[in-house]
Amino acid sequence: RKEVEQDPGPFNVPEGATVAFNCTYSNSASQSFFWYRQDCRKEPKLLMSVYSSGNEDGRFTAQLNRASQYISLLIRDSKLSDSATYLCVVSFGSARQLTFGSGTQLTVLP
Amino acid sequence: EAGVTQFPSHSVIEKGQTVTLRCDPISGHDNLYWYRRVMGKEIKFLLHFVKESKQDESGMPNNRFLAERTGGTYSTLKVQPAELEDSGVYFCASTGTSLSHEQFFGPGTRLTVL
Repeated sequence: RKEVEQDPGPFNVPEGATVAFNCTYSNSASQSFFWYRQDCRKEPKLLMSVYSSGNEDGRFTAQLNRASQYISLLIRDSKLSDSATYLCVVSFGSARQLTFGSGTQLTVLP
Repeated sequence: EAGVTQFPSHSVIEKGQTVTLRCDPISGHDNLYWYRRVMGKEIKFLLHFVKESKQDESGMPNNRFLAERTGGTYSTLKVQPAELEDSGVYFCASTGTSLSHEQFFGPGTRLTVL
């Protein structure tokens, strides 16, 4: 079983749509949770951290459910520029090494 | 502020040859990480330096891989001898000593072993 599992995708949505990504993690000792964005043939970049209380950044909302070991990302009013691969990432301990999911590819269509 | 840089951006070598990848972290960042993504798989952790010390090298695949960070600044990752399965994209990331966990990634080195 993978440590971080994501929706396989790909997701193809029209501009303006709302899209949700889900992710589960297996290590209950995980302490930090993130969504990273990776454009084609580029490096991953932090999109947002995820907290138990939930957090929102503009059109993006992330939620964490520690009891279910479940993380979600909601993108509202999708833009063409949102097209990318979204990586669910967790870390634990002082080493802070990151454990990545395999990513979900999103294409926003005009 | 300059970001994380990696060199080379691409490398094509033959099986059995040696390749050395370089990473220059953001200035002042004590923590430096190496990750790798092989075709069709997720990005995986290789090792972690704190300054010049190896904090965790549990992700290194085998003893053909050697990482160094002399002086605690830039780091090198040497693969010797390279095998076909070593092909992939090697990312370096760095972060400072603050409580923020954001790791800043370099653009990666795309390694192809023929």
